[in-house]
Formats: sequence, structure tokens, C-alpha cells
Amino acid sequence: GDSVTQMEGPVTLSEEAFLTINCTYTATGYPSLFWYVQYPGEGLQLLLKATKADDKGSNKGFEATYRKETTSFHLEKGSVQVSDSAVYFCANAGGTSYGKLTFGQGTILTVHP
Amino acid sequence: GAVVSQHPSWVICKSGTSVKIECRSLDFQATTMFWYRQFPKQSLMLMATSNEGSKATYEQGVEKDKFLINHASLTLSTLTVTSAHPEDSSFYICSVSRGEQYFGPGTRLTVT
Repeated sequence: GDSVTQMEGPVTLSEEAFLTINCTYTATGYPSLFWYVQYPGEGLQLLLKATKADDKGSNKGFEATYRKETTSFHLEKGSVQVSDSAVYFCANAGGTSYGKLTFGQGTILTVHP
Repeated sequence: GAVVSQHPSWVICKSGTSVKIECRSLDFQATTMFWYRQFPKQSLMLMATSNEGSKATYEQGVEKDKFLINHASLTLSTLTVTSAHPEDSSFYICSVSRGEQYFGPGTRLTVT
């Protein structure tokens, strides 16, 4: 079945540091891949997505590239801010189950001034 | 996008009672909604897919008689936790499928 494995957290960074959160997936077919963010006390929000191999999703300075050869979708940001502190979830909408999302375990990011 | 609300945002109930959680799609007619459960500091686990006008599709291991889902209209799906027990305490989140998924803010259920 489909699965998503995320880098374990929590991750603590200083402001303006470089961020990488690793995500790998397994799926049958050709899944769409997503990063969701959950700010404290709020619901999940879509951060970015990619629907096919080599696509790069980007939003708010965050980027992730769909790598089929390594089955990865790592999240990166060149310079994090305190306001980026949140929980980040990688997710996979498997090729055989459109719409149903499989989530990674989530990575807690804390950014200090 | 889509705007999704949930009600209540938090609820405390006694063991053995039932509690209903509403999920509303405020600006979109949703034929499909999803219900997830999130344990503290853990990932979201899909419980069921709610389809308007038909029976929900439950994921393996989810008790359909305990977690009753009703998707009676294109803007409302409800999740009823029947005969709740402390182990049912969790954060319940719904989402609306509109190409991609848009999530509600969640409902915190505490069973005492």
C-alpha cells in the first residue's frame, strides 16, 4: 500500500537558517505529492504540491521537487523565519486512490530569533 | 480553494455517551468529504470517505458502527462517535475534496 516516511523531528533552527525536511514515499501508479503545514491552533493548510515527476512545487519561499528515481519530495527553504514554526506533513495521493491522502508522521519545526 | 468549518471546535463528553461532529463546506458543494483522526504529536489517519447520498467507505480497522458518518447534503457531513470511551479522545479533522483536499480546523474530543 501507499506510505510516506518523513524525517523525524523535532527540528530547531535559528532564524535565517536553511531548512530541509526529508520525505520519501511508496505508491503504486503515479501519485501526486503534497506538503501541508499546521500552525499552532489551526487546521492543515496546503503549502505546495507536485503532480508529476520532476515537477517543483513552491510557495512562501518553500520548495520541493518530485523525484521519481529516489521516490522523494524533500521540503526546503533557504532562510526560515520565526513565523515558519509549525508542524509540516508530507502526503501522497496514491495513483490508485485519487483523493485519499496518506500522511507522513509530521515534523515539528521551531525557529528561534 | 474551499472553506471548511467544523463544529464544535472542542467537546468534552462522558464515557458511554454519543457525540456528533459537523463538517461544513461553506463555499463549495462537496460530493466527497474525508474524516481523519490525529493523535497528539502523530500523523493523520484516514478514517473514512464520506460520499453524498451514499454510505461512507471506512478504512480497515475503523468500526463503522462506532463512528457513524452521514453525508446528507452537498455541504454537510457528520461524524457521530457512539458510546464514546476515553480511548476515543482525539482530534478529528474533516476535509473536502475539490481536486485537492481542503481541511477543516478540527474538533478536539475528550471523553472522561
